[in-house]
Amino acid sequence: GNSVTQMEGPVTLSEEAFLTINCTYTATGYPSLFWYVQYPGEGLQLLLKATKADDKGSNKGFEATYRKETTSFHLEKGSVQVSDSAVYFCALPGGTSYGKLTFGQGTILTVHP
Amino acid sequence: EPEVTQTPSHQVTQMGQEVILRCVPISNHLYFYWYRQILGQKVEFLVSFYNNEISEKSEIFDDQFSVERPDGSNFTLKIRSTKLEDSAMYFCASGGAGARERGYTFGSGTRLTVV
Repeated sequence: GNSVTQMEGPVTLSEEAFLTINCTYTATGYPSLFWYVQYPGEGLQLLLKATKADDKGSNKGFEATYRKETTSFHLEKGSVQVSDSAVYFCALPGGTSYGKLTFGQGTILTVHP
Repeated sequence: EPEVTQTPSHQVTQMGQEVILRCVPISNHLYFYWYRQILGQKVEFLVSFYNNEISEKSEIFDDQFSVERPDGSNFTLKIRSTKLEDSAMYFCASGGAGARERGYTFGSGTRLTVV
């Protein structure tokens, strides 16, 4: 079945630092790819998505590009803020038609002032 | 923006008791899901529900678990006899047509603590 591997955390950065969180996937076909974010004490929110190869998803300064050649969907942000502190999950739909999501392990990001 | 609503936000229950976790998905969505997240671990799929029946379930979703959509708006997860290891955050999610491309909407979760 489809699977996703996400870099182990946690990641600790200073404000305005550059962020990369790695995500690679194994999939049948070319499913959409997602990044979800979980702020402290809250649920999962869709951060960004890409639906086909070479698509770039972006939102709130975060970007990720769907790379078919390297089966990757790395999350990047040029200048992180304290408010970006959260857990980030890479995800993709499963192989069945009912679309359950398979999540990566999650990466805890802490940004210090 | 439409939301998925989950109640209660936190539930404490004694081992062996039954619990029902409630969700109100987005009204025109077709696909409904329950996931759980044990503290500090990854988000795990439990069950998907489509067209008034279970469409897929994981090995975690054993006979102690059941789901219902009793009235066309609520979507519930019942755990018949809770165990300590059922303590987790439970998330409901829903998706409309094209959700595999557009993404799914999650609720804020119910934190279940079994004592």
